[in-house]
Amino acid sequence: KNEVEQSPQNLTAQEGEFITINCSYSVGISALHWLQQHPGGGIVSLFMLSSGKKKHGRLIATINIQEKHSSLHITASHPRDSAVYICAVGYNFGNEKLTFGTGTRLTIIP
Amino acid sequence: DSGVTQTPKHLITATGQRVTLRCSPRSGDLSVYWYQQSLDQGLQFLIQYYNGEERAKGNILERFSAQQFPDLHSELNLSSLELGDSALYFCASSVGSTRGDTQYFGPGTRLTVL
Repeated sequence: KNEVEQSPQNLTAQEGEFITINCSYSVGISALHWLQQHPGGGIVSLFMLSSGKKKHGRLIATINIQEKHSSLHITASHPRDSAVYICAVGYNFGNEKLTFGTGTRLTIIP
Repeated sequence: DSGVTQTPKHLITATGQRVTLRCSPRSGDLSVYWYQQSLDQGLQFLIQYYNGEERAKGNILERFSAQQFPDLHSELNLSSLELGDSALYFCASSVGSTRGDTQYFGPGTRLTVL
């Protein structure tokens, strides 16, 4: 069982829609990362969160430490946002490795 | 372009063989991470080096080894290859060595074992 759960696994939406992708984890973390993997395979780091909320352009990431949950929102979605979005956490214990969710495949239809 | 380079882009080889994947981190980054992404497993952390020293180890098989050289480039060696080793192998780099550091990913090496 993956320690990092993402939902939904797949999401298809119309251009312009507001998108929410969720990530939940089971124990205390010191950092949570959101990554974007393009259809060609390249991976880009979008956000690193340890608390609160961050915004970059049309992307917003939030984290609730008490509820062990993070969300990635995309406003005014566009076909170029079509990608796999991956949540990764760094736990409070052990070594510095990241544990990854299985990803959410987002498709935005024009 | 993340500034992280990986070579080769594609590699096709046979079972039982040995291959070496190479990664050059962004200028100024001291940490290098190796990840494996297979279709059924998603991204898995293999190993991390920081300034030449092994820093963290993940799900890396004994048949796999890595090192980081004085110029900070890193190599991942995969030996006695099996069909199940077919995957995308990513290298990432960061300035520091902690969970909170932003990691910059290379374009990946696609390994196919026949």
